[in-house]
Amino acid sequence: SQQGEEDPQALSIQEGENATMNCSYKTSINNLQWYRQNSGRGLVHLILIRSNEREKHSGRLRVTLDTSKKSSSLLITASRAADTASYFCATDPYSSASKIIFGSGTRLSIRP
Amino acid sequence: KAGVTQTPRYLIKTRGQQVTLSCSPISGHRSVSWYQQTPGQGLQFLFEYFSETQRNKGNFPGRFSGRQFSNSRSEMNVSTLELGDSALYLCASSGRTYNEQFFGPGTRLTVL
Repeated sequence: SQQGEEDPQALSIQEGENATMNCSYKTSINNLQWYRQNSGRGLVHLILIRSNEREKHSGRLRVTLDTSKKSSSLLITASRAADTASYFCATDPYSSASKIIFGSGTRLSIRP
Repeated sequence: KAGVTQTPRYLIKTRGQQVTLSCSPISGHRSVSWYQQTPGQGLQFLFEYFSETQRNKGNFPGRFSGRQFSNSRSEMNVSTLELGDSALYLCASSGRTYNEQFFGPGTRLTVL
């Protein structure tokens, strides 16, 4: 099963509103990353948060990490039509056989 | 810097055939990872190469194999193709294993 599970699976909001996506994972991690994918294309790295960090900002993006709850959230403020995409969290598990594992993704649609 | 390139972009094969996909990482990146993306299974890790050595492998059958050359370019091979191998195959390079990954546009493989 997936290490990371995003919630919700799909989200539709009005342009200008804020969008929040959540990611839960199962095992201890070194870091957690968020990626964006426009339809059928490659993924674009958005932000990386390390296990000893609790919050990180990048432009209109705010990511939080709660290692005690094994969860992370991605907040996009003042959404724009160009933010329409799928968003994935990816975890780097803390183990000798680590491999980056992507969640199932949240499909975000911004209505004009 | 030029981004990650993948060739070919689109490929149509029939069951039983084999296919080789190519990935050229960003100059200076030594880690190359491969992923399979399907609507049903999402993004799944195939394998990761670092300095010509496979460091990690996902849960895929032996029909899926890969290699990395001294210039960090990587190829993946799928033999005895099955209908279920139809997917978007993504390659990502990283300067350091499991840190920020830079994705190529992917190769869309259709198996008929």
